[in-house]
Amino acid sequence: AQKVTQAQTEISVVEKEDVTLDCVYETRDTTYYLFWYKQPPSGELVFLIRRNSFDEQNEISGRYSWNFQKSTSSFNFTITASQVVDSAVYFCALGNDYKLSFGAGTTVTVRA
Amino acid sequence: SQTIHQWPATLVQPVGSPLSLECTVEGTSNPNLYWYRQAAGRGLQLLFYSVGIGQISSEVPQNLSASRPQDRQFILSSKKLLLSDSGFYLCAWSVEGVEQFFGPGTRLTVL
Repeated sequence: AQKVTQAQTEISVVEKEDVTLDCVYETRDTTYYLFWYKQPPSGELVFLIRRNSFDEQNEISGRYSWNFQKSTSSFNFTITASQVVDSAVYFCALGNDYKLSFGAGTTVTVRA
Repeated sequence: SQTIHQWPATLVQPVGSPLSLECTVEGTSNPNLYWYRQAAGRGLQLLFYSVGIGQISSEVPQNLSASRPQDRQFILSSKKLLLSDSGFYLCAWSVEGVEQFFGPGTRLTVL
């Protein structure tokens, strides 16, 4: 069975602070994919990134960065210099074949 | 480019009434299609997925059903709604089973 744990339920920061979202996963598959999605107040889930299990290279996209560590089964997400527009619920997901297993989500609130 | 539509955007229905939510995808062929439900303040629960016309897999037992009458159309239905069916329903599509792209969602309130 696959499982994704996002231990942080809510995080509140002041604008320009960095925020790191933790994601720990469990799977018996040797090949799998990891994802992060953003759900703003409008409700639609926005795809942010996909990582393959065989590619542990970290990635940076603007103010977003992702740290994939297979040894600890973690795929953490950092927002640098947060902005009010980053306020949303962020979901980590684990996938193989056709299905995704989502974590419970972390609500990020960025205060001006 | 691909686009996914869902309607209606919001719906208020009495207990015991029927339900029909529709999802359509444009700009791709033979997508995998998914229905998720998100209860208030909760994560996403996969309800159904389909890898082709007429092929539906159910993930959880419930009083909901899904159908795929056309390649890019996915319908979520119920004959009699329960209070517990309230939630935010999201349709998604994928190709080759990798990342999924979500529609705008339908917010359903059952009274």
